[in-house]
Amino acid sequence: AQSVTQLDSHVSVSEGTPVLLRCNYSSSYSPSLFWYVQHPNKGLQLLLKYTSAATLVKGINGFEAEFKKSETSFHLTKPSAHMSDAAEYFCVVSESPTSGTYKYIFGTGTRLKVLA
Amino acid sequence: DARVTQTPRHKVTEMGQEVTMRCQPILGHNTVFWYRQTMMQGLELLAYFRNRAPLDDSGMPKDRFSAEMPDATLATLKIQPSEPRDSAVYFCASGLGQGDYEQYFGPGTRLTVT
Repeated sequence: AQSVTQLDSHVSVSEGTPVLLRCNYSSSYSPSLFWYVQHPNKGLQLLLKYTSAATLVKGINGFEAEFKKSETSFHLTKPSAHMSDAAEYFCVVSESPTSGTYKYIFGTGTRLKVLA
Repeated sequence: DARVTQTPRHKVTEMGQEVTMRCQPILGHNTVFWYRQTMMQGLELLAYFRNRAPLDDSGMPKDRFSAEMPDATLATLKIQPSEPRDSAVYFCASGLGQGDYEQYFGPGTRLTVT
């Protein structure tokens, strides 16, 4: 069965230090994987996506994620956190169990807090 | 700057009343999604359409919820009758393609049912 697990519901980092938000998935098919960010009282915005091309994916605002099939992981990282990165982050899996149909599963989210 | 728009942004209503939420997808996008977000359940997919046809509404309570696309520029989500447990933020998103494309989210409709 398809599933997404975000291992941490809350992460706190100091400004200027690295960010690591963890995501593990399970899928019976070749999935596409996404990270979205949601700032308070806003809709979700795409950070980056993996669709079976390069395993290291670069996104907006300095974020990147590495697809590791052997570990079924797609962790999100950023070398240096900025105050504006404080938000909720969602890992998403998309797969196609039958031709023309797609299933999208959102993780439960990780709330990132950045300390001054 | 193309955006998904949703109306109303906020809605407070009494239990038993009908609620209609509207979404205007980005022009040219062929897929529209409806999501519900609550603290307890997180983000749930309610339904999605491609080329105005419903492809999956398995996440939607069928007895009181209905979703339609009267035309390519308008998607609606209706709750009748509404209940307090329907209180949530409802997001619409649109996209172009199949499966591995970006979804563009609207700002959401915050629904409170008293």
